[in-house]
This record gives sequence, C-alpha cells and structure tokens, in this order.
Amino acid sequence: DTAVSQTPKYLVTQMGNDKSIKCEQNLGHDTMYWYKQDSKKFLKIMFSYNNKELIINETVPNRFSPKSPDKAHLNLHINSLELGDSAVYFCASSPMGYEQYFGPGTRLTVT
Amino acid sequence: QKEVEQDPGPLSVPEGAIVSLNCTYSNSAFQYFMWYRQYSRKGPELLMYTYSSGNKEDGRFTAQVDKSSKYISLFIRDSQPSDSATYLCAMSAGSGGGADGLTFGKGTHLIIQP
Repeated sequence: DTAVSQTPKYLVTQMGNDKSIKCEQNLGHDTMYWYKQDSKKFLKIMFSYNNKELIINETVPNRFSPKSPDKAHLNLHINSLELGDSAVYFCASSPMGYEQYFGPGTRLTVT
Repeated sequence: QKEVEQDPGPLSVPEGAIVSLNCTYSNSAFQYFMWYRQYSRKGPELLMYTYSSGNKEDGRFTAQVDKSSKYISLFIRDSQPSDSATYLCAMSAGSGGGADGLTFGKGTHLIIQP
C-alpha cells in the first residue's frame, strides 16, 4: 500500500534527450514537491505545488517543467538532459507543508 | 555559512549506546523542525516532527529544539544495528501557506556496531 510512488525507479539516458518522471500519492495531501539529491547526498527543493498550483520554483533551469494534472499526481519533465542533471529525484507530499512524506526516488543517470 | 550545518560523520557507536545527532542553523525564521532517516538507496523516512522549541519523545527517539541557540538534536536510546542509516535534519519557516520546501542538512551517517 504505497503512499508516495514514483516511476521509473531508474532512468539511464543520453545527453540531449527529453525524459519524464511520474509521481503519485494516495494520502489525500494537498501539497506535492520535487527534490533533487546530488552525488554528495545533499537534498534540495526544486518545486512545490498546492492543489495543482505552482508555489515554489527554486532557481531551477527552465529545462525542468513540473506538471500537476490533479492533486494526487505531480510529474517532472526534463528537456535537453545534461550530465549535471544526474542525481536522485524525490517526490514528496504533505498535508500541511511541514510533515513531508517522500517517495522512493528516481535515480537518473545521463551519459 | 550554510543555512543548516550537520556533521556528516560517520558516527560509529556500539549497540545499546545512546546516540546524539545535532544540527545548527542560521535562519531565525525556521519554526518547524524534522528528522528523517534515510537508508542507502531509499527515500527519506520521517522520524520526528517538532514545532518551535521544546522536546518530543517517540519510543526510543527524542527530538529537542533550542531556538535561542539555533540548535536541534535527536537522541536515540538503546541503539540497534537496524538504526544504521543517514539521519537528515530538515527545517521550514512555515511561510508560503505551508507549501514552502524543507531546508535540509547534509546528513550524518550513523553506524551501530553489533
């Protein structure tokens, strides 16, 4: 009974390609997020959505575009992938914005 | 100076010991404080959540927040090998209607020796 799920778990692709990561939560939360964890394990907020509305966009290149078709889903589309985009991307959700519950992560490798 | 400082470790202690993990921060606007546990190649798992200053206890875990010193702690009693993981502190100012992201420390790698 997964609370926050992400697909795919692993993604290996070449520079210049476009890829998407999907996230779904079955917790009934209003707010969802994307975080990036770099090779040094540092976790940093990228975007937050509240009720399908973009709230935060933290100095992320515009090659990254989040989309929320409904409250339970938040997808991340990445255009023209670069080597520096290699990281683990985590989706999270929250009922109030403070207690955030994370998905299992998508490990993106750009070659 | 980073917003949240956390010693990366590794911190190695024998089974049964009391573990103390700490973070300091510089942003006085932070009001919400969390501790997450992350096993290798897994997502962060919420352990403790505290609002403002004070203590909170949950089983073997105790979280302490001292806003005057900008210092937070997590204590683990009767540590077990299964507690071996990376522990991340995280904080939020609570602005943005609750939709602001968390600011994380870099995590402390904890090893409990059987």
